[in-house]
Amino acid sequence: EDKVVQSPLSLVVHEGDTVTLNCSYEVTNFRSLLWYKQEKKAPTFLFMLTSSGIEKKSGRLSSILDKKELFSILNITATQTGDSAVYLCAVKNNQGGKLIFGQGTELSVKP
Amino acid sequence: AAGVIQSPRHLIKEKRETATLKCYPIPRHDTVYWYQQGPGQDPQFLISFYEKMQSDKGSIPDRFSAQQFSDYHSELNMSSLELGDSALYFCASSLRRLAGEHEQYFGPGTRLTVT
Repeated sequence: EDKVVQSPLSLVVHEGDTVTLNCSYEVTNFRSLLWYKQEKKAPTFLFMLTSSGIEKKSGRLSSILDKKELFSILNITATQTGDSAVYLCAVKNNQGGKLIFGQGTELSVKP
Repeated sequence: AAGVIQSPRHLIKEKRETATLKCYPIPRHDTVYWYQQGPGQDPQFLISFYEKMQSDKGSIPDRFSAQQFSDYHSELNMSSLELGDSALYFCASSLRRLAGEHEQYFGPGTRLTVT
């Protein structure tokens, strides 16, 4: 059965800290891995990764995929209170393009 | 930029009633996905449509049905509602007909409460 596992499940840091969120997966016919940020509403798209070793970057956020070891990390540098949210990792397989989500990492950034 | 539109945003129903949720994808997107997110849980895939045909089916109860119309909007029909159906229902859309990978964009969700 396809599975996506995120760690840690929750994390509390202070403003200015750097955090690394982990996502590992076991999926048949992998196509892509996506990161979303959810703040008590709809998940907001962050990154989509399809190739190993190519870092995607957007401001203080960056992500990379390792298709050999079947994992991805999401880095957030110089965290701000506005980064507080649940970060969801999802994997898309060949079966119709549905997303298989991990449990999410709840990040809390304290002032 | 236009986003995915869902209606209603909130819905309160009683057990055994029927509910219809609507989703309007981003213009020119041809694929719609429905997800159910229970309290404190990750979104679970229900069903998807590509070019008005069902393309994949997940953990959708037999009491639920859905379709995609000629204008690409989709409706999720839920009958004989149960307390456990209380959840956030997200619709996401993507553009699948072009080659390559395409991200899914989520709508604001419909919060369904069954009492």
